[in-house]
Amino acid sequence: EVQLVESGGGLVQPGGSLRLSCVASGFTFSGFWMSWVRQAPGKGLEWVGNIKEDGSEIYYVDSVKGRFAISRDNGKNSLSLQMSSLRAEDTAVYYCARTRSFDWLLDYWGQGTLVTVSS
Amino acid sequence: NFMLTQPHSVSESPGKTVTISCTGSSGTFGGNYVQWYQQRPGSAPTTVIFEDSQRPSGVPDRFSGSLDSSSNSASLTISGLKTEDEADYYCQSYDSSNHVVFGGGTKLTVL
Repeated sequence: EVQLVESGGGLVQPGGSLRLSCVASGFTFSGFWMSWVRQAPGKGLEWVGNIKEDGSEIYYVDSVKGRFAISRDNGKNSLSLQMSSLRAEDTAVYYCARTRSFDWLLDYWGQGTLVTVSS
Repeated sequence: NFMLTQPHSVSESPGKTVTISCTGSSGTFGGNYVQWYQQRPGSAPTTVIFEDSQRPSGVPDRFSGSLDSSSNSASLTISGLKTEDEADYYCQSYDSSNHVVFGGGTKLTVL
């Protein structure tokens, strides 16, 4: 059974940093792109970024470029999102999702972890 | 930047049929697939349609998807509406730079 479990969310002050993790199980992690998607309270889904199977390609939405960094450790079946210079508008539930590169379907999602940026 | 536009909300009665549209911002979808996700409050999204019109196992055949290249729009149709279909629905595609794009979401009310 495919499982994705996010962790690391919490309350952080504006300008602060936070690192989210996503641990995968039930599939060959190194064989899939992975994505981060966020959802602000009461709002829609927003793609944050994605990373290729071997980590050689990483893409971000413009609003987080230079502030967020996606990485992966295939040996530990782990995906990370390092967030810095956080703003109030980064407040959201953050989901990791397995991504099929041939049709860009996000076919499995974690349960999400809440990040709140507030003083 | 490529964008997807959906109606903010739709409503229909149980047993009826509803269609949710998803319109691309520029040109055609360029042969890129469109997916549809259902999201109930407090839960992660789940796939109801992938690759424009394919249904994952376990999704009822009341759900169908289509793509109209001439109008640059995709549609999700749900027939025989049930109260359990009440949820938010998102279309999703991608651009030539491997950027995933979501529509703004449509709140379906079954009343």
